[in-house]
Amino acid sequence: QVQLVESGGGVVQPGRSLRLSCAASGFTFSSAAIHWVRQAPGTGLEWVAVISYDGSIKSYADSVKGRFTISRENSKNTLFLQMNSLRGEDTAVYYCARAVNSGSGDWHRDSFDIWGQGTMVSVSP
Amino acid sequence: QSVLTQPPSVSGAPGQRVTISCTGGSSNIGAGYDVHWYQQLPGTAPKLLIYDNTNRPSGVPDRFSGSKSGTSASLVITGLQAEHEADYYCQSFDSSLSGWVFGGGTKLTVL
Repeated sequence: QVQLVESGGGVVQPGRSLRLSCAASGFTFSSAAIHWVRQAPGTGLEWVAVISYDGSIKSYADSVKGRFTISRENSKNTLFLQMNSLRGEDTAVYYCARAVNSGSGDWHRDSFDIWGQGTMVSVSP
Repeated sequence: QSVLTQPPSVSGAPGQRVTISCTGGSSNIGAGYDVHWYQQLPGTAPKLLIYDNTNRPSGVPDRFSGSKSGTSASLVITGLQAEHEADYYCQSFDSSLSGWVFGGGTKLTVL
């Protein structure tokens, strides 16, 4: 069964750190770029970060650049999101999502075909 | 403020047809980047509904269709059913932001 399962969410104070994990199964994890997407309560989806299949290329939304770090361990089929200097506006459900390309080879054209169930991060004093 | 603009809400009676628009600009849809659509049922993760502007993943019924023209894209749902009540998001890439972007989302209500 192709799936992604996030973990690591919780309640944390502003300025502290949290590390999210995303465990993959049912597909060749080492061949897929993976994104983090978040959704603040009652709002829409916001792209957070992406990492290439081999971890050599990473990109971040301006809202998290310099504070969040995406990484992966292909030998363990696991993706991570290290979140430092957390702020109230980081409160959200965090999803990992598999990127899929239909043949162009340009990852900017990728859609997200597999999503995890999400893990909630609450930043509160 | 999303760079892809969607109407906050649309509604229709059972059996009717609704269209959800997604308006971008010259750095995203107008630059030729593909548009993808996602359906998010209450309390669940998003699900890919349309990819590469017009294509349906396996298992998505043909009552869902997508199109793209210029700086805009549209999702059409025909034969509305109560189970279609959900939030719908368009998504693309923006070269000015150097990042993947989502529309603000559209809440579909089946009357």
